[in-house]
Amino acid sequence: LAKTTQPISMDSYEGQEVNITCSHNNIATNDYITWYQQFPSQGPRFIIQGYKTKVTNEVASLFIPADRKSSTLSLPRVSLSDTAVYYCLVGDRYTGRRALTFGSGTRLQVQP
Amino acid sequence: GAVVSQHPSRVICKSGTSVKIECRSLDFQATTMFWYRQFPKKSLMLMATSNEGSKATYEQGVEKDKFLINHASLTLSTLTVTSAHPEDSSFYICSASSGGPDTDTQYFGPGTRLTVL
Repeated sequence: LAKTTQPISMDSYEGQEVNITCSHNNIATNDYITWYQQFPSQGPRFIIQGYKTKVTNEVASLFIPADRKSSTLSLPRVSLSDTAVYYCLVGDRYTGRRALTFGSGTRLQVQP
Repeated sequence: GAVVSQHPSRVICKSGTSVKIECRSLDFQATTMFWYRQFPKKSLMLMATSNEGSKATYEQGVEKDKFLINHASLTLSTLTVTSAHPEDSSFYICSASSGGPDTDTQYFGPGTRLTVL
């Protein structure tokens, strides 16, 4: 699996848009990009997955440039409940078929 | 959506005892389940891959005789920590796949907090 690099931590305020960028320079042609969210003492929760360009769901958007060497998770108008650790993973789109290698993740702290 | 449960959510035991943790896929069948452990402020680390009807595949450095995994059905996998010691205290998380031809997302259980006294 391609190695990913994310900022260790980020701070934001309620109502702001938060963008978390993940670097994956060695992404392979068949690799997809998947983001998970984890609250303290809970299992990770799937947020979004994409291959290229932009993907949007009811929770977030994922922006992937043409070279796919990075990706940006965008959380619109964050609230206190978005305080969590966010993990970027790169690999086969069928994430359920093989174990996931989690990096250090980005710890997002949302302030009132 | 796909739901994965774990039981118990937390357990405290004495050193030397064994503890069993159950992982269930509630609304789907999971041929493969995964077990991770997570220490405070750290990322998840894979322990083993659990395949229904066959032996689990353990990651390097994980003692298979200490962490017994049984995947007896398509909806249940169990992790037994045998002769637990304080250093086994951790957050154990299982995951399972909902399967599918187009996407195959891995869903995680809520985790089990094990404290060994």
